[in-house]
Amino acid sequence: AQSVTQPDIHITVSEGASLELRCNYSYGATPYLFWYVQSPGQGLQLLLKYFSGDTLVQGIKGFEAEFKRSQSSFNLRKPSVHWSDAAEYFCAVDSRPPGGSYIPTFGRGTSLIVHP
Amino acid sequence: DAGVIQSPRHEVTEMGQEVTLRCKPISGHDYLFWYRQTMMRGLELLIYFNNNVPIDDSGMPEDRFSAKMPNASFSTLKIQPSEPRDSAVYFCASRIARGDYEQFFGPGTRLTVL
Repeated sequence: AQSVTQPDIHITVSEGASLELRCNYSYGATPYLFWYVQSPGQGLQLLLKYFSGDTLVQGIKGFEAEFKRSQSSFNLRKPSVHWSDAAEYFCAVDSRPPGGSYIPTFGRGTSLIVHP
Repeated sequence: DAGVIQSPRHEVTEMGQEVTLRCKPISGHDYLFWYRQTMMRGLELLIYFNNNVPIDDSGMPEDRFSAKMPNASFSTLKIQPSEPRDSAVYFCASRIARGDYEQFFGPGTRLTVL
């Protein structure tokens, strides 16, 4: 069965510093990979996704992520963090059971804290 | 489109009461998902529908939980009887059948069972 691991429960960075959130997945085939962001009191919003092609994908709000098949990773990065980036970040993998449709599995999330 | 709509946004009830959560997916979306989010367990997929038909309810925790989708624009998640451990935020999400598989989430219903 597929699984998603976000090893960092909390990450604290200073405003203006760079950011990398880690995500590792377990899935036998080529996965569809996603990063979502959840602001307090709100639902999840898609940041970016990877299906195929260029392994470096760009998303909204200045985020990017790189798919590394050899490491089964899909880490999220941002060169300069803004205070408004403080939120919960979820990595997700879409996988398809035989005869079924693509269904997501979410990681536990990483809480990003931004210091002024 | 207004996005995925959930009601109520907050629900406080007493143990043993019936609770009904409601969801209106985005028009034209073929899939509807119900999730539960807690600090202990994170985001859990409870059940999902394709074209109003329940496909996989293996995530539903107990028989106290049931979900229906009588038509393409409405779904309910019912808990009867409710227990304090059901306290969580419940999200509904929808997406189209093909394409980029992006899920669109509602704002959630925060349920507190006393």
